[in-house]
Amino acid sequence: DTAVSQTPKYLVTQMGNDKSIKCEQNLGHDTMYWYKQDSKKFLKIMFSYNNKELIINETVPNRFSPKSPDKAHLNLHINSLELGDSAVYFCASSQATVTAKETQYFGPGTRLLVL
Amino acid sequence: DAKTTQPPSMDCAEGRAANLPCNHSTISGNEYVYWYRQIHSQGPQYIIHGLKNNETNEMASLIITEDRKSSTLILPHATLRDTAVYYCIVRGFGNEKLTFGTGTRLTIIP
Repeated sequence: DTAVSQTPKYLVTQMGNDKSIKCEQNLGHDTMYWYKQDSKKFLKIMFSYNNKELIINETVPNRFSPKSPDKAHLNLHINSLELGDSAVYFCASSQATVTAKETQYFGPGTRLLVL
Repeated sequence: DAKTTQPPSMDCAEGRAANLPCNHSTISGNEYVYWYRQIHSQGPQYIIHGLKNNETNEMASLIITEDRKSSTLILPHATLRDTAVYYCIVRGFGNEKLTFGTGTRLTIIP
């Protein structure tokens, strides 16, 4: 009965490879997010989608491309992986933001290690 | 969004109330105060949020000062499982993102 799920949980790969992380939410929410938590534990937003449309892109390199096939899914594709991409990536979802009351619910994270 | 200031770490004895302060002196009228926590690199977990009135739910209480420039999260009977990093976040109308600071690392002592 997981509300926000991510696959894979762990991802170890070589520099230069292309990889994808998947996120699914079963909460019926309209908005989904990707956050990145680096080795210093700073948690920063990367992207936000509302009803499959991109609404936030926080100056993330264009090697990162989010894709939302439907409003329950938001996948993150990363091209030409670099060492600095090693981090924990969290997906989150919420109802569409209208009044700032809407709560975001986070997935368990995907731990990416680039060698 | 207004910035927040939290102490970097706190200890609390098991069974006691844990009171976590947050300063948000530049908060504006339509900004909510949110609290999240992150237990050992799990996904952040929503705790509570409020605008100007005090709030209580099954996890915690949120006390917001009358001028709204600071707030306190209260965990009434802390357990070892409450050991986590607690984030105080201020978020305004029309702002979809949560901006996390460095938070307070709360350690519950047996």
